[in-house]
Amino acid sequence: GENVEQHPSTLSVQEGDSAVIKCTYSDSASNYFPWYKQELGKGPQLIIDIRSNVGEKKDQRIAVTLNKTAKHFSLHITETQPEDSAVYFCAASPQGAQKLVFGQGTRLTINP
Amino acid sequence: GAVVSQHPSRVICKSGTSVKIECRSLDFQATTMFWYRQFPKQSLMLMATSNEGSKATYEQGVEKDKFLINHASLTLSTLTVTSAHPEDSSFYICSARGGDSGNTIYFGEGSWLTVV
Repeated sequence: GENVEQHPSTLSVQEGDSAVIKCTYSDSASNYFPWYKQELGKGPQLIIDIRSNVGEKKDQRIAVTLNKTAKHFSLHITETQPEDSAVYFCAASPQGAQKLVFGQGTRLTINP
Repeated sequence: GAVVSQHPSRVICKSGTSVKIECRSLDFQATTMFWYRQFPKQSLMLMATSNEGSKATYEQGVEKDKFLINHASLTLSTLTVTSAHPEDSSFYICSARGGDSGNTIYFGEGSWLTVV
């Protein structure tokens, strides 16, 4: 089955700098890759997603890139702000499957 | 984005009792709902997938007789933890997907269960 690896597990950056979180997946048939932000004690919030027919998607300060050949996708956050501090999860959805397979999560801390 | 609501957000129950958690899709019809369990500082563990009007599909290792899932309508799924024990204490999160949401999966706010 699908396996998603996420790194780093923790990331600390200075406010205003960029943050990059990377994920790899194993099932080449996966075709949907969302990213979720989870704040302490809350449910995950979808922040951006990408489907396998595109290589990059951007929404203001957040962007996601997908390399299908290498089977990896990345989250890029620019001009980071303290409120970006949270745990971020990547996920992959195998084609034809209903469920998401999650990465292990990255705890992002933005230092003021 | 679409809204998924969970209730209650926090619940405390005594060992041996049962507790029900509700998950509702507020602005779309959820053909599929998912239930997750999350331990502190860990990722989300899928417990089961439920499709409206049919029996839930449980992940390996999840006791279906202990974690009863019902998806009776396109906007409501419930998780009942039966004969709860302290080790069942956890953060339970539901998510929902439907055609109206573009097949995107949205999560509820989560429910903290404490069994004493």
